Amino acid sequence: EPEVTQTPSHQVTQMGQEVILRCVPISNHLYFYWYRQILGQKVEFLVSFYNNEISEKSEIFDDQFSVERPDGSNFTLKIRSTKLEDSAMYFCASSEGRRNQPQHFGDGTRLSIL
Amino acid sequence: ILNVEQSPQSLHVQEGDSTNFTCSFPSSNFYALHWYRWETAKSPEALFVMTLNGDEKKKGRISATLNTKEGYSYLYIKGSQPEDSATYLCASMNYGGSQGNLIFGKGTKLSVKP
Repeated sequence: EPEVTQTPSHQVTQMGQEVILRCVPISNHLYFYWYRQILGQKVEFLVSFYNNEISEKSEIFDDQFSVERPDGSNFTLKIRSTKLEDSAMYFCASSEGRRNQPQHFGDGTRLSIL
Repeated sequence: ILNVEQSPQSLHVQEGDSTNFTCSFPSSNFYALHWYRWETAKSPEALFVMTLNGDEKKKGRISATLNTKEGYSYLYIKGSQPEDSATYLCASMNYGGSQGNLIFGKGTKLSVKP
């Protein structure tokens, strides 16, 4: 069964450094998402992406964050200047349709900011 | 701000017991309710997507119901098995500003003892 893959599984970065999290969504899916879960808290929506542009973003997704689909397969999340509070598990997801289709999640990238 | 609540937070049952847990969500501008099963160190796995009031869905021993007027959904597991041990997440999707993104509850962590 096709799956969403994320790399790396764990990223340790110094505060202030840039980090890029990578995702390969399921190939025939059209909608892509990033979520994060800070330890002990709820999974939170960051951004959705469709037709090569952001379709929606949350308040968390400020100017430090950006997303890109650089080629036909990868979907990346960049954090420009990381802060301690960016430490979290970051999940990529994709879906065929937007609302009434399930979202398929990757295994996540654990980001630790030192 | 939309808030999705799940109860109980955790549940310990014996193998063979049937169990259920609750997800409550804002009923205004409701579009869809998603249930996910999340095993430790794996990605959340989609169980159900429900949109209509009175919807009932079933997958093996797991079933779910939806009441959109009062804003709740129940997830039932019949004859729990140790492999059912996981965190069960529900997530609401609404019309308006949150088109396509999921608002998650904190999850119910189920432990099934052999």
